[in-house]
Amino acid sequence: AQSVTQLGSHVSVSEGALVLLRCNYSSSVPPYLFWYVQYPNQGLQLLLKYTSAATLVKGINGFEAEFKKSETSFHLTKPSAHMSDAAEYFCAVTKNAGGTSYGKLTFGQGTILTVHP
Amino acid sequence: AAGVIQSPRHLIKEKRETATLKCYPIPRHDTVYWYQQGPGQDPQFLISFYEKMQSDKGSIPDRFSAQQFSDYHSELNMSSLELGDSALYFCASSQLLAGSYEQYFGPGTRLTVT
Repeated sequence: AQSVTQLGSHVSVSEGALVLLRCNYSSSVPPYLFWYVQYPNQGLQLLLKYTSAATLVKGINGFEAEFKKSETSFHLTKPSAHMSDAAEYFCAVTKNAGGTSYGKLTFGQGTILTVHP
Repeated sequence: AAGVIQSPRHLIKEKRETATLKCYPIPRHDTVYWYQQGPGQDPQFLISFYEKMQSDKGSIPDRFSAQQFSDYHSELNMSSLELGDSALYFCASSQLLAGSYEQYFGPGTRLTVT
């Protein structure tokens, strides 16, 4: 079974500072990994994905994440935080198991990012 | 670009009533997923359909059922509603046949059971 653990339910940064949201995964098979962002009372928007190609993945809004198999991590970063980045971020995993996998996502507990001026 | 459509956006029901949530996936997407997100919780997988057949099942109560129709839209039927069913219900779709595991989420239906 797959699972993800997000370290830190709340992260607070200053505008312009580095954003680092941590995600560690556990999977018995090579995983596909995703980061989603959720603004209040809205749906989940895909930020980026890792699907066994390049280990450094670039997403929307200046975010990127690096897949590190040795550390079973997929941390999300952004060099300079903007006020509009304030939201909840979810890391998610699904099995990369070909025809036996229908892609259901298992989410981490979420990290609320606060950006202050 | 077309997105996943969910209706209604808000629904208020009383205990023991029935609710039906609808989902219209992105055109040409072959897989639909349903998730439940309780207050302050992460989304939990309920059920999925691939090419109109149930493909996977998660922690979905027996009081809930779902199906996908010939036009690919899906409905989640919830009976004997309980207070604990109050949550955001998301539908997502993807193109598994094309090898894409990216799921695109709808805006959700907020169900309140009183």
